[in-house]
Amino acid sequence: DIQMTQSPSSLSASVGDRVTITCRASQSISSYLHWFQQKPGKAPKLLIYAASSLQTGVPSRFRGSGSGTDFALTISSLQPEDFATYYCQQSYSNIWTFGQGTNVEIK
Amino acid sequence: QVQLVQSGAEVKKPGSSVKVSCKASGGTFRSNGISWVRQAPGQGLEWMGGIIPNFGTVNYGQKFQGRVTINTDESTSTAYMELSSLRSEDTAIYYCASFRSYGPSDYYYGMDVWGQGTTVTVSS
Repeated sequence: DIQMTQSPSSLSASVGDRVTITCRASQSISSYLHWFQQKPGKAPKLLIYAASSLQTGVPSRFRGSGSGTDFALTISSLQPEDFATYYCQQSYSNIWTFGQGTNVEIK
Repeated sequence: QVQLVQSGAEVKKPGSSVKVSCKASGGTFRSNGISWVRQAPGQGLEWMGGIIPNFGTVNYGQKFQGRVTINTDESTSTAYMELSSLRSEDTAIYYCASFRSYGPSDYYYGMDVWGQGTTVTVSS
Protein backbone atom coordinates (compact mmCIF):
# COMPACT_ATOMS: atom_id res chain seq x y z
CA ASP A 1 0.00 0.00 0.00
CA ILE A 2 1.05 3.59 -0.59
CA GLN A 3 1.91 5.27 2.71
CA MET A 4 0.93 8.89 3.30
CA THR A 5 2.84 10.89 5.88
CA GLN A 6 1.56 14.24 7.06
CA SER A 7 3.46 16.85 9.00
CA PRO A 8 3.15 18.24 11.48
CA SER A 9 0.79 16.01 13.47
CA SER A 10 -0.50 19.08 15.23
CA LEU A 11 0.08 22.80 15.23
CA SER A 12 -1.03 25.85 17.15
CA ALA A 13 -1.80 29.01 15.22
CA SER A 14 -3.61 32.31 15.59
CA VAL A 15 -6.43 33.78 13.57
CA GLY A 16 -4.91 35.46 10.53
CA ASP A 17 -1.84 33.22 10.41
CA ARG A 18 -0.68 31.50 7.24
CA VAL A 19 -0.62 27.76 7.82
CA THR A 20 0.95 25.03 5.71
CA ILE A 21 0.46 21.29 6.14
CA THR A 22 2.55 18.88 4.12
CA CYS A 23 1.85 15.38 2.91
CA ARG A 24 4.38 12.97 1.46
CA ALA A 25 3.59 9.79 -0.45
CA SER A 26 5.80 6.71 -0.31
CA GLN A 27 5.79 6.61 -4.13
CA SER A 28 4.71 8.91 -6.91
CA ILE A 29 0.96 9.43 -7.01
CA SER A 30 0.88 12.03 -9.79
CA SER A 31 -1.89 14.46 -8.74
CA TYR A 32 -4.22 11.90 -7.19
CA LEU A 33 -4.19 13.65 -3.84
CA HIS A 34 -7.12 15.12 -1.93
CA TRP A 35 -7.46 17.17 1.24
CA PHE A 36 -10.24 16.92 3.80
CA GLN A 37 -11.24 18.93 6.84
CA GLN A 38 -12.93 17.28 9.78
CA LYS A 39 -14.47 18.94 12.81
CA PRO A 40 -15.37 17.02 15.99
CA GLY A 41 -18.49 14.92 15.61
CA LYS A 42 -18.81 15.69 11.90
CA ALA A 43 -18.12 13.83 8.69
CA PRO A 44 -15.04 14.88 6.72
CA LYS A 45 -15.42 17.63 4.13
CA LEU A 46 -13.59 17.69 0.81
CA LEU A 47 -11.54 20.87 0.40
CA ILE A 48 -9.16 20.15 -2.47
CA TYR A 49 -9.21 17.38 -5.07
CA ALA A 50 -6.58 16.37 -7.60
CA ALA A 51 -3.87 18.14 -5.59
CA SER A 52 -4.86 21.71 -6.46
CA SER A 53 -8.51 21.91 -7.52
CA LEU A 54 -10.69 23.81 -5.09
CA GLN A 55 -13.94 22.00 -4.33
CA THR A 56 -17.07 24.03 -5.05
CA GLY A 57 -18.04 26.22 -2.14
CA VAL A 58 -14.68 26.06 -0.36
CA PRO A 59 -13.14 29.47 0.45
CA SER A 60 -10.26 30.58 -1.73
CA ARG A 61 -7.95 30.92 1.30
CA PHE A 62 -7.44 27.15 0.96
CA ARG A 63 -4.84 26.22 -1.61
CA GLY A 64 -3.40 22.86 -2.58
CA SER A 65 -0.13 22.32 -4.37
CA GLY A 66 2.33 19.64 -5.37
CA SER A 67 2.59 16.54 -7.52
CA GLY A 68 4.49 13.28 -7.50
CA THR A 69 5.34 12.60 -3.86
CA ASP A 70 5.22 15.97 -2.12
CA PHE A 71 2.08 18.00 -1.50
CA ALA A 72 0.95 20.89 0.64
CA LEU A 73 -2.25 22.45 1.90
CA THR A 74 -1.94 26.15 2.67
CA ILE A 75 -4.49 28.27 4.48
CA SER A 76 -3.58 31.85 3.64
CA SER A 77 -5.28 33.54 6.60
CA LEU A 78 -6.58 31.23 9.28
CA GLN A 79 -10.17 31.88 10.32
CA PRO A 80 -11.91 30.76 13.54
CA GLU A 81 -13.90 28.14 11.61
CA ASP A 82 -10.70 26.58 10.24
CA PHE A 83 -9.65 25.04 13.54
CA ALA A 84 -10.08 21.36 12.77
CA THR A 85 -8.20 18.22 11.74
CA TYR A 86 -6.95 17.96 8.17
CA TYR A 87 -6.27 14.76 6.25
CA CYS A 88 -4.62 14.05 2.94
CA GLN A 89 -5.69 11.00 0.93
CA GLN A 90 -4.34 9.36 -2.20
CA SER A 91 -6.43 7.69 -4.90
CA TYR A 92 -3.62 6.83 -7.32
CA SER A 93 -3.80 3.09 -6.68
CA ASN A 94 -6.87 0.90 -6.36
CA ILE A 95 -6.16 0.85 -2.62
CA TRP A 96 -6.66 4.29 -1.14
CA THR A 97 -4.90 5.55 1.97
CA PHE A 98 -5.14 8.55 4.27
CA GLY A 99 -2.47 10.47 6.08
CA GLN A 100 -2.60 10.33 9.86
CA GLY A 101 -4.09 13.79 10.17
CA THR A 102 -2.97 17.25 11.31
CA ASN A 103 -4.80 18.89 14.18
CA VAL A 104 -4.89 22.69 13.86
CA GLU A 105 -5.48 24.26 17.25
CA ILE A 106 -5.97 27.78 18.50
CA LYS A 107 -2.84 29.38 19.95
CA GLN B 1 -27.19 17.65 -4.75
CA VAL B 2 -27.49 14.02 -3.75
CA GLN B 3 -27.33 13.33 0.00
CA LEU B 4 -26.25 10.06 1.54
CA VAL B 5 -28.34 8.76 4.43
CA GLN B 6 -26.91 5.90 6.46
CA SER B 7 -28.63 3.33 8.65
CA GLY B 8 -28.72 3.64 12.41
CA ALA B 9 -26.31 2.71 15.15
CA GLU B 10 -25.55 -0.94 15.80
CA VAL B 11 -24.33 -2.90 18.81
CA LYS B 12 -22.82 -6.27 17.93
CA LYS B 13 -21.23 -9.21 19.69
CA PRO B 14 -17.67 -10.27 18.86
CA GLY B 15 -17.65 -12.78 16.02
CA SER B 16 -20.90 -11.52 14.49
CA SER B 17 -21.43 -9.43 11.34
CA VAL B 18 -22.81 -5.98 10.69
CA LYS B 19 -24.36 -4.58 7.52
CA VAL B 20 -24.55 -0.81 7.11
CA SER B 21 -26.62 0.82 4.39
CA CYS B 22 -26.13 4.12 2.59
CA LYS B 23 -29.04 5.48 0.53
CA ALA B 24 -28.76 8.27 -2.01
CA SER B 25 -31.48 10.77 -1.22
CA GLY B 26 -32.62 13.25 -3.83
CA GLY B 27 -31.04 11.41 -6.70
CA THR B 28 -29.21 8.27 -7.75
CA PHE B 29 -25.63 7.09 -7.76
CA ARG B 30 -25.48 7.78 -11.51
CA SER B 31 -21.83 7.75 -12.49
CA ASN B 32 -20.62 7.99 -8.91
CA GLY B 33 -18.57 5.53 -6.95
CA ILE B 34 -19.07 4.83 -3.26
CA SER B 35 -16.31 4.36 -0.71
CA TRP B 36 -16.50 3.27 2.89
CA VAL B 37 -14.28 4.92 5.49
CA ARG B 38 -14.17 4.24 9.21
CA GLN B 39 -12.90 6.13 12.21
CA ALA B 40 -12.19 4.45 15.53
CA PRO B 41 -12.66 6.56 18.67
CA GLY B 42 -10.02 9.30 18.80
CA GLN B 43 -8.29 7.96 15.70
CA GLY B 44 -7.82 8.99 12.09
CA LEU B 45 -9.66 8.04 8.93
CA GLU B 46 -9.24 4.56 7.47
CA TRP B 47 -10.34 3.61 3.96
CA MET B 48 -12.04 0.21 3.83
CA GLY B 49 -12.98 -0.17 0.21
CA GLY B 50 -15.04 1.17 -2.66
CA ILE B 51 -17.26 0.33 -5.58
CA ILE B 52 -18.04 1.91 -8.95
CA PRO B 53 -21.40 0.33 -9.87
CA ASN B 54 -21.45 1.48 -13.52
CA PHE B 55 -18.22 -0.37 -14.23
CA GLY B 56 -18.42 -3.22 -11.74
CA THR B 57 -15.21 -2.13 -10.02
CA VAL B 58 -14.82 -3.22 -6.39
CA ASN B 59 -11.67 -2.76 -4.32
CA TYR B 60 -10.95 -3.53 -0.69
CA GLY B 61 -8.24 -2.43 1.68
CA GLN B 62 -5.76 -5.20 2.44
CA LYS B 63 -6.58 -5.03 6.13
CA PHE B 64 -10.20 -5.88 5.40
CA GLN B 65 -9.79 -8.41 2.58
CA GLY B 66 -11.89 -11.48 3.29
CA ARG B 67 -13.94 -9.74 5.99
CA VAL B 68 -15.69 -6.94 4.12
CA THR B 69 -18.21 -6.98 1.30
CA ILE B 70 -19.36 -3.84 -0.50
CA ASN B 71 -22.19 -3.84 -2.99
CA THR B 72 -25.04 -1.72 -4.27
CA ASP B 73 -28.69 -2.06 -5.14
CA GLU B 74 -29.13 0.39 -7.98
CA SER B 75 -32.91 -0.07 -8.00
CA THR B 76 -33.02 1.64 -4.60
CA SER B 77 -29.83 3.71 -4.95
CA THR B 78 -28.48 2.05 -1.82
CA ALA B 79 -24.94 0.91 -1.07
CA TYR B 80 -24.09 -1.66 1.56
CA MET B 81 -21.01 -2.53 3.58
CA GLU B 82 -20.94 -5.79 5.48
CA LEU B 83 -18.13 -6.54 7.92
CA SER B 84 -17.84 -10.02 9.41
CA SER B 85 -15.95 -11.67 12.26
CA LEU B 86 -16.29 -8.51 14.31
CA ARG B 87 -13.87 -7.77 17.12
CA SER B 88 -13.66 -4.96 19.64
CA GLU B 89 -11.17 -3.11 17.42
CA ASP B 90 -13.95 -2.70 14.82
CA THR B 91 -15.79 -0.31 17.14
CA ALA B 92 -15.89 2.85 15.07
CA ILE B 93 -17.97 5.30 13.10
CA TYR B 94 -18.48 4.02 9.56
CA TYR B 95 -18.97 6.54 6.77
CA CYS B 96 -20.01 6.13 3.18
CA ALA B 97 -18.86 8.75 0.70
CA SER B 98 -19.47 9.23 -3.00
CA PHE B 99 -17.04 10.37 -5.70
CA ARG B 100 -17.46 11.16 -9.36
CA SER B 101 -16.07 8.52 -11.66
CA TYR B 102 -16.15 8.25 -15.44
CA GLY B 103 -14.20 5.06 -15.85
CA PRO B 104 -13.51 1.74 -14.12
CA SER B 105 -10.36 3.11 -12.48
CA ASP B 106 -11.17 6.81 -12.55
CA TYR B 107 -10.27 8.06 -9.11
CA TYR B 108 -9.37 11.62 -10.10
CA TYR B 109 -12.12 13.27 -8.10
CA GLY B 110 -12.32 13.26 -4.35
CA MET B 111 -15.05 11.98 -2.08
CA ASP B 112 -17.32 15.00 -2.13
CA VAL B 113 -20.55 13.80 -0.53
CA TRP B 114 -20.51 11.99 2.81
CA GLY B 115 -23.11 10.18 4.85
CA GLN B 116 -23.75 11.16 8.44
CA GLY B 117 -21.88 8.15 9.81
CA THR B 118 -23.04 4.99 11.55
CA THR B 119 -21.69 4.06 14.96
CA VAL B 120 -20.90 0.39 15.31
CA THR B 121 -20.05 -0.86 18.79
CA VAL B 122 -18.62 -4.34 19.23
CA SER B 123 -18.90 -5.54 22.77
CA SER B 124 -19.63 -8.76 24.62
